[in-house]
Amino acid sequence: AQSVAQPEDQVNVAEGNPLTVKCTYSVSGNPYLFWYVQYPNRGLQFLLKYITGDNLVKGSYGFEAEFNKSQTSFHLKKPSALVSDSALYFCAVRDFGNQGGKLIFGQGTELSVKP
Amino acid sequence: ETGVTQSPTHLIKTRGQQVTLRCSSQSGHNTVSWYQQALGQGPQFIFQYYREEENGRGNFPPRFSGLQFPNYSSELNVNALELDDSALYLCASSSTRTTYGYTFGSGTRLTVV
Repeated sequence: AQSVAQPEDQVNVAEGNPLTVKCTYSVSGNPYLFWYVQYPNRGLQFLLKYITGDNLVKGSYGFEAEFNKSQTSFHLKKPSALVSDSALYFCAVRDFGNQGGKLIFGQGTELSVKP
Repeated sequence: ETGVTQSPTHLIKTRGQQVTLRCSSQSGHNTVSWYQQALGQGPQFIFQYYREEENGRGNFPPRFSGLQFPNYSSELNVNALELDDSALYLCASSSTRTTYGYTFGSGTRLTVV
């Protein structure tokens, strides 16, 4: 079965420092991977996706993610964190099984960026 | 290009009641899916609709049901509400003609008391 894991419940970073939010996946076949961000009492906002191609994917708001097939990881990164980046981040994998396709989400990582 | 809109934004229901949540898909999208996000959890897939028929379902009981209309909007119905149904319900639309992108609405916060 497809799954994703986010090993850190919370990540704390100082403003201006680089940030990394970790995600590992388990899929059969080629993975379709996504990162979403959720602000309090809001829905999910798409950040970026990996379908195929370059292992470094660039997305919205200066975020990027590195796909590593050998380590089955898809870590989210940003060179310089902003206080406004503080939110809940979800990694997800597309499951194409016999259910018409769905997203399987990790448990989420709370990112806190302090001034 | 309009996004995904959900209504209502919040509601409170009593255990045993029934509730209907609504979702308008993003323009150009023909598929809609629903997710339940309990507090502190990631979203869990409930079901998906394409061409007005359910074409995928997660591990949710039959009292969770849905509809998709010709204009691709959708409803999620939950009967015999239980306290554990309290959650944020997210609707996502997508298109079979594009590269796997999903657009999520802001969700409906359901509280069952």
